[in-house]
Amino acid sequence: DAGVIQSPRHEVTEMGQEVTLRCKPISGHNSLFWYRQTMMRGLELLIYFNNNVPIDDSGMPEDRFSAKMPNASFSTLKIQPSEPRDSAVYFCASSTRRSGANVLTFGAGSRLTVL
Amino acid sequence: AQKITQTQPGMFVQEKEAVTLDCTYDTSDPSYGLFWYKQPSSGEMIFLIYQGSYDQQNATEGRYSLNFQKARKSANLVISASQLGDSAMYFCAMRELISSGSARQLTFGSGTQLTVLP
Repeated sequence: DAGVIQSPRHEVTEMGQEVTLRCKPISGHNSLFWYRQTMMRGLELLIYFNNNVPIDDSGMPEDRFSAKMPNASFSTLKIQPSEPRDSAVYFCASSTRRSGANVLTFGAGSRLTVL
Repeated sequence: AQKITQTQPGMFVQEKEAVTLDCTYDTSDPSYGLFWYKQPSSGEMIFLIYQGSYDQQNATEGRYSLNFQKARKSANLVISASQLGDSAMYFCAMRELISSGSARQLTFGSGTQLTVLP
């Protein structure tokens, strides 16, 4: 089991550039989540998918952010255009039922720095 | 209002001692789940333990146990026999039905930074 795989691990870009973060969930997990972690705001849920369908995107900050899940094994989070305040660690997580609960397994995160 | 409150930004414990990390929550949903995650300095989020709102017994996983007091809406994490490798940020989280009732989402507290002293 390779776990949740995120890429890139680190991204440094300039303001105004497009950023695409990628995630491969654990095979067989039918829910996928994108979280953002900052010192000021902690861990925030941006969007999540059930069976590739976006269920709740109320956490997406603004129209510059978009997420897709074209199939069960791949999701992207795109920021266009990026701004310095988007600098954060972006986590992808997928879930399965374990110990009677839907436990989220997180990827290692993508650290984004927007200059 | 905060759904998950962790009042201890930082905690210190001596190696081999036990430590309790506090977590209180707020929900009107009768069905919910409580989780603890560990985030070491390397940044990954590691699942530790889960407690369901209807579970009769407190959850335990090795050196981790959850002191669940439903009436007080608290779900404190107890780590016994602390090890140096336990030094990390610890997050309490809750999963409840969202208002539409269609699904559940996980809400995190602000975290407690635990430092284990040799």
